Parts: sequence; C-alpha cells; structure tokens
Amino acid sequence: QKEVEQDPGPLSVPEGAIVSLNCTYSNSAFQYFMWYRQYSRKGPELLMYTYSSGNKEDGRFTAQVDKSSKYISLFIRDSQPSDSATYLCAMSALDSSYKLIFGSGTRLLVRP
Amino acid sequence: DAMVIQNPRYQVTQFGKPVTLSCSQTLNHNVMYWYQQKSSQAPKLLFHYYDKDFNNEADTPDNFQSRRPNTSFCFLDIRSPGLGDAAMYLCATSRVGGAAYEQYFGPGTRLTVT
Repeated sequence: QKEVEQDPGPLSVPEGAIVSLNCTYSNSAFQYFMWYRQYSRKGPELLMYTYSSGNKEDGRFTAQVDKSSKYISLFIRDSQPSDSATYLCAMSALDSSYKLIFGSGTRLLVRP
Repeated sequence: DAMVIQNPRYQVTQFGKPVTLSCSQTLNHNVMYWYQQKSSQAPKLLFHYYDKDFNNEADTPDNFQSRRPNTSFCFLDIRSPGLGDAAMYLCATSRVGGAAYEQYFGPGTRLTVT
C-alpha cells in the first residue's frame, strides 16, 4: 500500500465549476500537508500548505485536512482554464519535514 | 528572477553510458534535493544536501550519485543508466530556517535511455 493515495484522473470540468481534489494517507506521523501544482513540462510549485488539521483559504483555493480520517482536500472555486494542471498532494512528518511524500497527482482539465 | 535552473531539459543517453544532469540555483538556499518522477507517478526523493552534508535515501540505487561543489550547483550522476532509469529528474531547493516543505523546483530534465 502506498503511503499517499491520489486519484490520477483526469478530471474534466467546465469553467466556473467547483473542483474537489483529494488524497488519503496511511502514516499518522504526517503533520505538514501541501498541495503542489505542476503544469506540463514544468516543475511542481507550492500552492498551499497546512500544518496539522483544519482549513486554510487563499483566494479561490481552500485546503482541508482531516487527520482523524487521514484525508486531505483541495477545493478550487470558480475554476479557470489556467487552472488546468496536475495537482500533487505532499506530506511530511515533524521529525523529517524535509522529506516530502508525494501523491501521484490528479490531472485537472478546465474546459472554457 | 531568482530561480532553479536545470540543464539540459532533455537528455538522451545509451544503455550503460554514464550521464550527468546539472542543477543551479540563484536563491542561495542551503538545501538541494534530487527527485525522480516517472510518468504519472509521484516524485520520489533520491537524496538531498544540507549545505555540503549529503543525505542518501535508503532505497536510492547505488547507480545514482551526486555532487555539490558549491552552494549554487548540484549534479546528478547516473553511472550506468538502465532502461528503468528513464524518467523526469527534478531538482529542488529549500531554505534553512524556512519551511522545509516549501521547496522550489526546477523545470526538470527528461532522461531517455536507448
């Protein structure tokens, strides 16, 4: 079993839709939870991070962490064609915060 | 603009022929990482440098080596590439004193092994 599971998609939505991206994990030591966005032929870029449980909002993006269920989500409101990319969740533990464990990514396509 | 640069962007090598990938950064970050990302898979950490202190992941094959001659540059050497080593290789950096999870990635080098 992988430490981090993520549905590969692709997920295709119309412009303006609310997008929900999710990851599950098995390691209860994870404390940092991140979402990276990766455009085609580019490296990942950090979109959002959350420490421990709770919600965090940044513009059209909301990250949620439910440690009791070992489940994290990224919501994108009013999705735009420019949001089309692969979204990778990543996690790390307190005592090894440098080591990110990534999900395999969900490919998102926002249709104009 | 401060950034992480990887060269070349595309590299073709023959089976068993050594190859070196390079990474440079203008961010002046202390920590540099090398990841391997195969198609539709998660990036996998190979090793990282904390300044000159080299840290190898336990499951990184011996075929992979790295050098960091100074703060700005880091190299990935694949001594005898096999077909299974074809992948995207990502270099990343992070700042000591900052959040280790906030890693800045280069655009990657796509390696093809023929």
